[in-house]
Amino acid sequence: KQEVTQIPAALSVPEGENLVLNCSFTDSAIYNLQWFRQDPGKGLTSLLLIQSSQREQTSGRLNASLDKSSGRSTLYIAASQPGDSATYLCAVRQGGSEKLVFGKGTKLTVNP
Amino acid sequence: DADVTQTPRNRITKTGKRIMLECSQTKGHDRMYWYRQDPGLGLRLIYYSFDVKDINKGEISDGYSVSRQAQAKFSLSLESAIPNQTALYFCATSDPRTGGYNEQFFGPGTRLTVL
Repeated sequence: KQEVTQIPAALSVPEGENLVLNCSFTDSAIYNLQWFRQDPGKGLTSLLLIQSSQREQTSGRLNASLDKSSGRSTLYIAASQPGDSATYLCAVRQGGSEKLVFGKGTKLTVNP
Repeated sequence: DADVTQTPRNRITKTGKRIMLECSQTKGHDRMYWYRQDPGLGLRLIYYSFDVKDINKGEISDGYSVSRQAQAKFSLSLESAIPNQTALYFCATSDPRTGGYNEQFFGPGTRLTVL
């Protein structure tokens, strides 16, 4: 059974700092991995999707990497801003399955 | 306008009542999903649908039913609500034909409280 873990559960940083959020999964037979952002009252916003054959994806100040063999993904946020404050969720999709298995998230606070 | 909408956004009901949560999408996607989110448990899949005639159970379907009225509409029903169904419910869509590796897109959520 796939299990997804995100550490730390909460992170507080000063504005401008570069930071890394971690995601680990127990079964490396994944189809893809998605990073989401969750804001209160606004649902989940898809940030980046990495296919199992890819090593990283970039969008603006965000860079997500995938090391399938070690069961790890990281989300790198450059030059953090207060508007980046949110809960970040990692989810993996197994090959042959429609189900996304989610981690419990990392709550990020960027202080001005 | 949002691509995936959910109604109602908030609902308080009593034990034993029948409740329907609705989801509509304008993305033209074939696949639709219902998830619930509980504090400390993350999001879990309830039901998913590949098209109007194809409905599938997820990992926690007991106590729930769904209806895919059209490609754009997918409803979740609680026939007799109970307090442990209090949660945040999300609808999502995806389509492998769009070239996005079946990326899932989520609605804003419905907060349901069962007293």
